[in-house]
Amino acid sequence: QKEVEQNSGPLSVPEGAIASLNCTYSDRGSQSFFWYRQYSGKSPELIMFIYSNGDKEDGRFTAQLNKASQYVSLLIRDSQPSDSATYLCAVKAGNTPLVFGKGTRLSVIA
Amino acid sequence: EAQVTQNPRYLITVTGKKLTVTCSQNMNHEYMSWYRQDPGLGLRQIYYSMNVEVTDKGDVPEGYKVSRKEKRNFPLILESPSPNQTSLYFCASSFFPNYSNQPQHFGDGTRLSIL
Repeated sequence: QKEVEQNSGPLSVPEGAIASLNCTYSDRGSQSFFWYRQYSGKSPELIMFIYSNGDKEDGRFTAQLNKASQYVSLLIRDSQPSDSATYLCAVKAGNTPLVFGKGTRLSVIA
Repeated sequence: EAQVTQNPRYLITVTGKKLTVTCSQNMNHEYMSWYRQDPGLGLRQIYYSMNVEVTDKGDVPEGYKVSRKEKRNFPLILESPSPNQTSLYFCASSFFPNYSNQPQHFGDGTRLSIL
């Protein structure tokens, strides 16, 4: 059974701080890694994806991937109250279906 | 506008009354999928389809049926709904092949309550 693990949170950070969200996965054959943001009652929205080891930056978001440690993270710089949401990590290997973690709830305190 | 459209958005119904939730995408995506989301359990895949007339079970297929007669449509059918199928349902789609590099696009969700 392929698993994707995330701390459920809530992770509370003050406004302006860096939020660090972590995800581990069990399938060593995983190739693609996605971060989705989901506001309560809304659909997941893709915010970042990464395929290669290292860092990938997009605006205030940085995804970090370490395949040897089977670990992927999302950093949110200058966190804003509007970043308060649940963040879903999703992992896939080849053409098998995407496997989602249960999500980490982030709360940014103004 | 590129989108995945689900209908209805909300439905309250009773046990045993057959229902269909429709899903349509306008992005010419080959891959489509249905998920249910429950508190504490995250997103769980019900069924998926890699192309027309090709469907496969996900993690929680019991009590559900799907069909993929056209590329754009992927309806979810509950033949005899039960209260344990009360949930928030999402349809999603993406390109395939090269599927591993393609993110999924989600519909707005269907909140289903079975009494």
